[in-house]
Amino acid sequence: NAGVMQNPRHLVRRRGQEARLRCSPMKGHSHVYWYRQLPEEGLKFMVYLQKENIIDESGMPKERFSAEFPKEGPSILRIQQVVRGDSAAYFCASSNNGQNTEAFFGQGTRLTVV
Amino acid sequence: GESVGLHLPTLSVQEGDNSIINCAYSNSASDYFIWYKQESGKGPQFIIDIRSNMDKRQGQRVTVLLNKTVKHLSLQIAATQPGDSAVYFCAEYPLDRGSQGNLIFGKGTKLSVKP
Repeated sequence: NAGVMQNPRHLVRRRGQEARLRCSPMKGHSHVYWYRQLPEEGLKFMVYLQKENIIDESGMPKERFSAEFPKEGPSILRIQQVVRGDSAAYFCASSNNGQNTEAFFGQGTRLTVV
Repeated sequence: GESVGLHLPTLSVQEGDNSIINCAYSNSASDYFIWYKQESGKGPQFIIDIRSNMDKRQGQRVTVLLNKTVKHLSLQIAATQPGDSAVYFCAEYPLDRGSQGNLIFGKGTKLSVKP
């Protein structure tokens, strides 16, 4: 049973480009959580999705950021017109019961905006 | 500001010694706490949790202590090993927010184990 898979592991984008981060949850998990981690900081909650629905996006910036979790395929975190301040590690976690305290984390995508 | 924070950003211990990592929280509505270990280049890994109706919980080589009076919790690692070197985060979770609540992480303490 593979764990939470995130890709790419590293992503470099120029300012103004779009970044797409993918997260495939563990098999059987239908709940996905995205977190952002700045260097030397703890993780900050961004968004919680269940298949085809956004449940809680209170931690996600209103502009340029969006997330989806389609019926088929991975969850996508999309950042449009990236800026240097978007450089961070983005982690995805998944759970099978909507309890993010029992979620498993992926290895993260490290986004660098140049 | 952050409601969860850590007293010591770095901790260096000798292999075989015990390690104690501390965490303070300020949200009295938080009633569930988790310690995570994050190795370099990896995602957080669950270590141990504790609910607010407990003041101590033990796992394999790890113990979490919760002091609700002063809103403080600690992670104790017995006989620290080189493989314990990582950044340790505490996270709080207010259970009254249900499944839509989100984990609030502290900044982390880097533990370095000297051989």
